[in-house]
Amino acid sequence: AQRVTQPEKLLSVFKGAPVELKCNYSYSGSPELFWYVQYSRQRLQLLLRHISRESIKGFTADLNKGETSFHLKKPFAQEEDSAMYYCALGPSGSRLTFGEGTQLTVNP
Amino acid sequence: GAVVSQHPSRVICKSGTSVKIECRSLDFQATTMFWYRQFPKQSLMLMATSNEGSKATYEQGVEKDKFLINHASLTLSTLTVTSAHPEDSSFYICSARDFLAGTGELFFGEGSRLTVL
Repeated sequence: AQRVTQPEKLLSVFKGAPVELKCNYSYSGSPELFWYVQYSRQRLQLLLRHISRESIKGFTADLNKGETSFHLKKPFAQEEDSAMYYCALGPSGSRLTFGEGTQLTVNP
Repeated sequence: GAVVSQHPSRVICKSGTSVKIECRSLDFQATTMFWYRQFPKQSLMLMATSNEGSKATYEQGVEKDKFLINHASLTLSTLTVTSAHPEDSSFYICSARDFLAGTGELFFGEGSRLTVL
């Protein structure tokens, strides 16, 4: 069975500080991993996916198959990064399993 | 990007009545749509996969007779909560994938909040 674990429900940092949102997964096949973000009063939207190996809004995430992790990182957090972040796992990005989510608050 | 729209965004109904929620892909065709349920401060739980022109595929533990899904066209899927009860109160979210775009990105609706009195 596939499973996604986000150990931190809440994460609070100051503006300009580095931030790391943790995500661990369990999957028997070759995983496809995603980070979705939900800003206040907005719909869920894709932030980035591991196969793209891209940086979006300063965020990056590296898939570590040895540690079965896909942590989301940003070197300098901004106040507008405050949102709910969900790590998701799924074959071909369709039938996704979501983690519990981490509420990130960036304080001024 | 592509847009997925849900209607209604909020609905309040009496216990025992049925409620229909629509999910539309506005500028792309979606042969497959997904219905999620989200409880307060919890994650999204996949309920079912809606397939255009065929029966929906339900996740384990989801009552198919309780949550009727119809995907009659390439741009519309509906979720009907039958004989709703207070425990059905939740936030229901749909998503769809634009297969023709080739990006594999899932687009989400804004969600529908159901309150059963």
